[in-house]
Amino acid sequence: TQLLEQSPQFLSIQEGENLTVYCNSSSVFSSLQWYRQEPGEGPVLLVTVVTGGEVKKLKRLTFQFGDARKDSSLHITAAQPGDTGLYLCAGGNGGNTPLVFGKGTRLSVIA
Amino acid sequence: SQTIHQWPATLVQPVGSPLSLECTVEGTSNPNLYWYRQAAGRGLQLLFYSVGIGQISSEVPQNLSASRPQDRQFILSSKKLLLSDSGFYLCAGTFTEAFFGQGTRLTVV
Repeated sequence: TQLLEQSPQFLSIQEGENLTVYCNSSSVFSSLQWYRQEPGEGPVLLVTVVTGGEVKKLKRLTFQFGDARKDSSLHITAAQPGDTGLYLCAGGNGGNTPLVFGKGTRLSVIA
Repeated sequence: SQTIHQWPATLVQPVGSPLSLECTVEGTSNPNLYWYRQAAGRGLQLLFYSVGIGQISSEVPQNLSASRPQDRQFILSSKKLLLSDSGFYLCAGTFTEAFFGQGTRLTVV
């Protein structure tokens, strides 16, 4: 069974600080996705990475896929209260195989 | 673009009553469809997935069932709800990535 471990589980920081959250596995994935979820809503896709070593930037968010395609990180620069939410990573293997989701990192950015 | 519609947004049901949650898909055909349950503020537990009409795979034995009567329709059901069925239920479709509905908050009382 493939598993994705996310760390930390909870993170509370002040506005303007930087942070990194991690998504690790012992298994190789063909793609990895990051989602953000706000209370009472469904997760929303932020990014998909598919190539080992790939780096993608989305404004203040930087996503990296590990060289071996077993892990990923999300770095947020100068966090803002609007970044608050649950961040989920998910690994995919294509075809009809369901995505494997991590348990999430709950981020709280305090103004 | 693909859109997942899920309703109702909230539901309060008595123990022992039946359940039917519906999910429909717009903007694509033959998607893989999923039902997840999410504990408060935490990760997603896969309940059922479907790769086509009438094809249902169950990940976790429980008091729930799923059906896919049409390509773009996925239904989560129960004949008799238990207190432990309370939770936040999400429908999702995967095309290249997963797109989620807005979720249903189910409270069994």
